[in-house]
Formats: sequence, structure tokens, C-alpha cells
Amino acid sequence: RKEVEQDPGPFNVPEGATVAFNCTYSNSASQSFFWYRQDCRKEPKLLMSVYSSGNEDGRFTAQLNRASQYISLLIRDSKLSDSATYLCVVTHTGTASKLTFGTGTRLQVTL
Amino acid sequence: DAGVIQSPRHEVTEMGQEVTLRCKPISGHDYLFWYRQTMMRGLELLIYFNNNVPIDDSGMPEDRFSAKMPNASFSTLKIQPSEPRDSAVYFCASSNPGLAGVPTQYFGPGTRLLVL
Repeated sequence: RKEVEQDPGPFNVPEGATVAFNCTYSNSASQSFFWYRQDCRKEPKLLMSVYSSGNEDGRFTAQLNRASQYISLLIRDSKLSDSATYLCVVTHTGTASKLTFGTGTRLQVTL
Repeated sequence: DAGVIQSPRHEVTEMGQEVTLRCKPISGHDYLFWYRQTMMRGLELLIYFNNNVPIDDSGMPEDRFSAKMPNASFSTLKIQPSEPRDSAVYFCASSNPGLAGVPTQYFGPGTRLLVL
């Protein structure tokens, strides 16, 4: 079983739709959580950190549920430019600089 | 500001040949990471350095892989001899957690390796 699991998708949604991705992690010692975005044939880039109280960045909302060990990303009013792969990322206590990536969820936003 | 620089961007080689991938991290970053990405396995950490010292190489697949960081501005990942199953995109990333300890990693554009 992978340490960080994601539904690979693809999620095909029309422009303007709201879409949510979930991610589960197996290591209860996980400390920090992030969502990275990777465009086709490009490098991953940090989208946002995930805080225990939940956090928003424009159309993007991230939430963390430590008890159930899952993280979510909600995208409202999807744009064509949101089409990408979204990677769930965790770090562990004592190894804060080492990131563990999920395999990613692919999103395709269509007209 | 220049980001993480990797070379070459593409490499096609024959099985058994030596392959050397190069990385220049962002100036001032004291962590450097090497990753491999494939469709089947996703993004895997191979090795990472802190202040030029290897900290964790548990992700290095086997003895055919080696990595060095002779100074703060340069690292290499070498595969010798290369095999077709090494075909992947290899990313280098750097970070500087700083006082907050938040480890945002900045990735280079990657090297696409194809071993025939």
C-alpha cells in the first residue's frame, strides 16, 4: 500500500464546475501537508499548504482531517487553465524537508 | 531569478552506456533533491542532500545509481550502466526551509531519459 493514496482520475468537468479531490495518508506521524500542481510535461509546483483549520486561496480550498488521515482540495468555478495533475504531499516528524508524493489526480476541464 | 537548472533536458542512450544528469540549485538553498517520475510509480525520491552532504539515499534503486554534490551550486546523478527500465523523467529540486521550516521545494524542468 502506498503511503499517500490518490484517485488517479481523470476527472473530466465542465468549465465553472466545482470539483473535489481527496487524498489519504497512512503514516500517523505525518506533520505537514501540501498540494502541488503539475502541468503536462512540466515540473511540479507548490499550489498551497494545508493547515489543520483549513485554508483558502481564491477558488481553492484545502482541508485536513488528522483523525481520518485525509486531505482534500476543492476547486470552485473551474477554469480551463486548472487542467493539470494535482499531487498530494506529506512530510513526517523529524524529516520535515523530505516530501512524500502521491501519484496524483488528473483534472481535465472542458468547455 | 534563475530557478533550478537541469541539463540535459533530453537524453537518449543505449543500454549499457553511462548517463550523467546535472543540476544547479537555486542560490542560497541548502537542500537538494533528486526524484524520478514514471507513469507506473509516480514521483519517487532517490536521494537528498543538506549542505552538500547526502542525508538519505534509501530511494536509490541500486548500485548502478550514484549522486554527488561537490559544492553548493552543483550536483550530478549518474547511472552506470544504464538499462531500459531507467527510462523516466528525472527531476532535481531545491529548498531552503529557513526559520519557519516549511519545506517548499522548487523543481527544475527535468531531464527526460530514454534508454534503448
